[in-house]
Amino acid sequence: GAVVSQHPSWVICKSGTSVKIECRSLDFQATTMFWYRQFPKQSLMLMATSNEGSKATYEQGVEKDKFLINHASLTLSTLTVTSAHPEDSSFYICSARGWGEGEAFFGQGTRLTVV
Amino acid sequence: GENVEQHPSTLSVQEGDSAVIKCTYSDSASNYFPWYKQELGKRPQLIIDIRSNVGEKKDQRIAVTLNKTAKHFSLHITETQPEDSAVYFCAASLSGSARQLTFGSGTQLTVLP
Repeated sequence: GAVVSQHPSWVICKSGTSVKIECRSLDFQATTMFWYRQFPKQSLMLMATSNEGSKATYEQGVEKDKFLINHASLTLSTLTVTSAHPEDSSFYICSARGWGEGEAFFGQGTRLTVV
Repeated sequence: GENVEQHPSTLSVQEGDSAVIKCTYSDSASNYFPWYKQELGKRPQLIIDIRSNVGEKKDQRIAVTLNKTAKHFSLHITETQPEDSAVYFCAASLSGSARQLTFGSGTQLTVLP
């Protein structure tokens, strides 16, 4: 199946700093990518939909100025958590769906810890 | 928008027994229903999916059934093994690369040896 690669797999940062997470589709082009956040023992909650060449669409309650998304090419979307706080600590996962039937492929996830 | 409810939240079965997880969805337009297995700290892995033109699909020990009229679908795992222990998520969406998946709340399945 298709491969989505996410980097880094884990990161620890200090409060107030910014962290960038990359999501790449390795063997297919993804005009749309999805960013999810997952807190411990909870489900995947969609944060935003990343659209190549245009602005991202954010879910209600997600601050677009805090979670900056850039989808500059058909194979790369980035999520930047700006001015991170401890409550932003979570597991962030990106996803892209293939053409046709639209099976979703997930990145490895990024464990963000803000101290 | 779509809303997906999943039950039970936890499920313990003896090795060799069957496990059933149920989900309901709200948007009658949804036509794609995947099931994912997620181990701790790992990405969700697709285990089976079904589309709305099919009522049942089976892959070895795993099967999914779909009732479009009632808007519910279920995952059936037979002959459970300890390695089946994980969190399982159902999801619903429209087909297509630009369509988001809406996930259920998850079921922690524990298979007791």
